[in-house]
Amino acid sequence: AQSVTQLDSQVPVFEEAPVELRCNYSSSVSVYLFWYVQYPNQGLQLLLKYLSGSTLVESINGFEAEFNKSQTSFHLRKPSVHISDTAEYFCAVSDPDKLIFGTGTRLQVFP
Amino acid sequence: DAGVTQSPTHLIKTRGQQVTLRCSPKSGHDTVSWYQQALGQGPQFIFQYYEEEERQRGNFPDRFSGHQFPNYSSELNVNALLLGDSALYLCASSSLVGNTEAFFGQGTRLTVV
Repeated sequence: AQSVTQLDSQVPVFEEAPVELRCNYSSSVSVYLFWYVQYPNQGLQLLLKYLSGSTLVESINGFEAEFNKSQTSFHLRKPSVHISDTAEYFCAVSDPDKLIFGTGTRLQVFP
Repeated sequence: DAGVTQSPTHLIKTRGQQVTLRCSPKSGHDTVSWYQQALGQGPQFIFQYYEEEERQRGNFPDRFSGHQFPNYSSELNVNALLLGDSALYLCASSSLVGNTEAFFGQGTRLTVV
C-alpha cells in the first residue's frame, strides 16, 4: 500500500523568509502527487498537483513543488512567505482514485 | 457554481446514536468520496461512490455506510457512534472520466459525547 510521510509536524518561519515543507511517498509505480492547504475550520483546497510532464509545478500564489522520482519526494517550497500562508499543509498521493494523505505540516508565519 | 456542499456544518451526538451526513458534489462531477479527519491527523479514506454503488472502501468498520442518489449527491451514515468517531468528515467530488482532481467540501464537524 502507498504511504506519505511528512516529517515536519510544525514549521515556524518569519514573514518574507523562504520555506520548504517536506513530503516523501512510497510507491514503485507511476504516481499522481498533490499538495492541499487547510485553513482553520475549513475543508481542503488544492494547492498544486503533479500528474506528468515537467517535474516542477507551480501554484498561483507563489508555491512550487518538485517531483523527484529517485528520492521519492515532492517537497513544497515558497521563496517568501506571508502571514496569510499560515495554515495546515497536506501532501497526498493518488492510489489510484482515492487519496492517501500525510499527517500534515502546520506552517506558522510570524511577523 | 456552489462547489461541494456539506450539511450540517456541526453536529453533536451521544454515544450509541446514529448520524447521517450529506454531500452535494460540484456540478459536472459524478463521483463522491468520504474522508474522516481526526484532530491533528490527515484525512483517511472511508469509501467512494460512483453510479450509486460503493466503488472502493477504506479500512473502516461496517458501522460506516453510505449511499449515492441519482443526482450524484451522497450520504454517509454512522451507526452505534463511539467517542472515537469524533472528527471532521470531508466529502470530495470528482469525475471518474478524465481523472479530474478532487474538490473538497468544508466538512461536517461531528462530536460524540
